[in-house]
Amino acid sequence: LAKTTQPISMDSYEGQEVNITCSHNNIATNDYITWYQQFPSQGPRFIIQGYKTKVTNEVASLFIPADRKSSTLSLPRVSLSDTAVYYCLLNDYKLSFGAGTTVTVRA
Amino acid sequence: AAGVIQSPRHLIKEKRETATLKCYPIPRHDTVYWYQQGPGQDPQFLISFYEKMQSDKGSIPDRFSAQQFSDYHSELNMSSLELGDSALYFCASRSRSKNIQYFGAGTRLSVL
Repeated sequence: LAKTTQPISMDSYEGQEVNITCSHNNIATNDYITWYQQFPSQGPRFIIQGYKTKVTNEVASLFIPADRKSSTLSLPRVSLSDTAVYYCLLNDYKLSFGAGTTVTVRA
Repeated sequence: AAGVIQSPRHLIKEKRETATLKCYPIPRHDTVYWYQQGPGQDPQFLISFYEKMQSDKGSIPDRFSAQQFSDYHSELNMSSLELGDSALYFCASRSRSKNIQYFGAGTRLSVL
């Protein structure tokens, strides 16, 4: 049973904000929510991690509501180089990758 | 900053041959994970080690084995290779203090 559910694909244009929502209805108390970015033939790259409320770093923001049953990754002002697959994961210890979201940024 | 180092980056083998993939974790990281990513698929967890002991096992075939050495590097040994073993193999490392896995660039294994 998939632990997380996210859209299969999203299209955007350069300069826009991209928001990817992930559902995780059965999140455990000790689960953190972690997002990775993966380019073709490269290893997943850590983007951001959070437990509750809002987390922001230099590349993204992560919004987590109080019930923690979903989370939203926000990528501000995307560029062509942000075209990649984005994975939402619950990591209690090992990472169980489900189907990620392919984000395509167009000029 | 130092990253996870994997070698070799590319490997070509024939069916029924053996292969050894190596992973050098980030310094002071004590946990190593191995993942397999087939063409067009998502990464799948294979096995992990903490302080040189196997800590978890995923969908790793019996033909594969792995270990973590005293210097914390890890090796994934693959025997009786099959065409379906052709994939990208990623290693990730993590420290006890931070629950974040950092991935290497991967080894692309092609079985002909």
